[in-house]
Amino acid sequence: DIQMTQSPSTLSASVGDRVTITCRASQSISTWLAWYQQKPGRAPKLLLYMASGLESGVPSRFSGSGSGTEFTLTISSLQPDDFATYYCQQYNSYSQTFGQGTKVEIK
Amino acid sequence: EVQLLESGGGLVQPGGSLRLSCAASGFTFSNYATSWVRQAPGKGLEWVSVISASGGSTYYADSVKGRFTISRDNSKNTLYLQMHSLRAEDTAVYYCAKTYSSGPRGYFDHWGQGTLVTVSS
Repeated sequence: DIQMTQSPSTLSASVGDRVTITCRASQSISTWLAWYQQKPGRAPKLLLYMASGLESGVPSRFSGSGSGTEFTLTISSLQPDDFATYYCQQYNSYSQTFGQGTKVEIK
Repeated sequence: EVQLLESGGGLVQPGGSLRLSCAASGFTFSNYATSWVRQAPGKGLEWVSVISASGGSTYYADSVKGRFTISRDNSKNTLYLQMHSLRAEDTAVYYCAKTYSSGPRGYFDHWGQGTLVTVSS
């Protein structure tokens, strides 16, 4: 199975900060990568697909980049609603896998 | 509006069985692959299984292979997960998730609210 590793596991930031989360794949997945946001007690919400495609309705402060094995999720200016846990997911293989998650906390 | 409504969760003893259901509405269910994704208490997301739109292809995580069976009834717009030989480590919220395409590989553009399965004596 393809392993997905996110860093950092926890990130402390303030409103207005630029935030970057990294996701690394154990083998090349081209751009078959999605990012999700999850808040406590809620289902995950799709943010980005194909590494950089913004899902409809998602604010433009969210962006993604990367290909192959290294990917990033960037929040250009952190808003109060953005404090949550973020997951990457690879769908290059039939056995799809998630990263372990990055929790974005209030500094 | 796309809706996915899971049911069937509950408390079950180790070694027991349970069947989860996911009722879909607001889209043409038979056109899209669908997955089960679980989340143990305080842990991250774990993909469990996927079934293609037609039901002809199914795939499983190694952790559930041979114990869980995914199926769908497109006439009833319903996805199922039959779970046997349940273990304590299967305790989790189980989410139904719609894939953006008909094939089994893809990102999940809609999720249900989840149903809790607790395996304990």
